[in-house]
Amino acid sequence: DIQMTQSPSSLSASVGDSVTITCRASQNIYEYLNWYQQRPGKAPELLIYTASSLRSGVPSRFSGGGSGTDFTLTINRLHPEDFASYFCQQSFSPPPTFGGGTRVE
Amino acid sequence: QVQLVQSRSELKRPGASVKVSCQTSGYSFNTHAIEWVRQAPGQGLEWMGWINTNTGNPTYAPGFAGRFVFSLDTSVSTAYLQINNLKTDDTAVYFCARNIVLQPIGGATWLDPWGQGSLVIVSS
Repeated sequence: DIQMTQSPSSLSASVGDSVTITCRASQNIYEYLNWYQQRPGKAPELLIYTASSLRSGVPSRFSGGGSGTDFTLTINRLHPEDFASYFCQQSFSPPPTFGGGTRVE
Repeated sequence: QVQLVQSRSELKRPGASVKVSCQTSGYSFNTHAIEWVRQAPGQGLEWMGWINTNTGNPTYAPGFAGRFVFSLDTSVSTAYLQINNLKTDDTAVYFCARNIVLQPIGGATWLDPWGQGSLVIVSS
């Protein structure tokens, strides 16, 4: 199975800050990488698919990048509702595997 | 709009069974796979497997073959997760989610949307 490693596992930030979360795959997954946001007590929601495509309705302050094994999720100018957990997921090869998550607090 | 609505929380004894439902609406049920994801308390997301909503054929992640059963009722556009012989380690929130494709065997696939989650507590 492909292992997905996210860093950091948590980070502290303030409203208005910009933050970057990284996700590393144990092998080349091309651009088959998705990002999900999970607010406390809620279900995950898709933010970005295929590494850099923004889901319709997701604010443009979210952006994704990378290919191969190294990927990033950047949030520019944090809003209060962005304080949540973020998970990456590879879809290149079954089983689809998730990163351990990053809590933005 | 596309919606997945799951059944409410359940409290069960070890050894019992539970059946979680995932009722879908807003799209053609048999054109997208349904996947199941587990989240233990305070933990990350664990992929359990998926079911082809056209054929009913399930695929289970290695740790979920045996006691976990995926099924469908296409007449009401609903997917089910049954867990048999419950153990305390099964305590978790179980999410269903729609995959954008019917047969997610790799490549450009993702989960959107997700159900709200069903908490299953296993305790004596």
